[in-house]
Amino acid sequence: DAKTTQPPSMDCAEGRAANLPCNHSTISGNEYVYWYRQIHSQGPQYIIHGLKNNETNEMASLIITEDRKSSTLILPHATLRDTAVYYCIVRVGGGGADGLTFGKGTHLIIQP
Amino acid sequence: DAGVIQSPRHEVTEMGQEVTLRCKPISGHDYLFWYRQTMMRGLELLIYFNNNVPIDDSGMPEDRFSAKMPNASFSTLKIQPSEPRDSAVYFCASSLWGSSYNEQFFGPGTRLTVL
Repeated sequence: DAKTTQPPSMDCAEGRAANLPCNHSTISGNEYVYWYRQIHSQGPQYIIHGLKNNETNEMASLIITEDRKSSTLILPHATLRDTAVYYCIVRVGGGGADGLTFGKGTHLIIQP
Repeated sequence: DAGVIQSPRHEVTEMGQEVTLRCKPISGHDYLFWYRQTMMRGLELLIYFNNNVPIDDSGMPEDRFSAKMPNASFSTLKIQPSEPRDSAVYFCASSLWGSSYNEQFFGPGTRLTVL
């Protein structure tokens, strides 16, 4: 899997949009960008993934640059419950057929 | 669905003792993963199974660790003998090949403390 780079921590005010960046400059053509988050003392939770088009679901939006070397996860209206470590993971698509390689992630702190 | 179930949630044992961690994946899922999380090393993949068969155990730290999946609804991770450096949170996850999101569902984890 390609390596990713994320800022170690970020703050965001409650109710504002949280924008979490991720660099993945060595991504291959068949690799997807996945985002998971881990709330304190819980198991990681899937958020969203994409290949090259922007994606949106009920939790977040994923913006991938045209060259696919970086992406941004957007939580449109952050709440205190969104405080967690967010992991950007690059992996080959194909039905969840391999393990996830987690980096250090970004610790997002939502401030009241 | 109840999600991935792990037991026990907490385990405290003494060095040298055998420890067995248990996992029940989501019904119908054909992949099962074991991860370990420590402050120093973060989240690491230990081993994963497909249709009850171990596929990649390269992350298993040493021979003291073993994992089995006797059927589609149960897996164990055993440490024998346990050492203080094995203290960590162990997560089990499952997934379904070909699912639309290709996501892994994680259990709540087992916090292991080896004294």
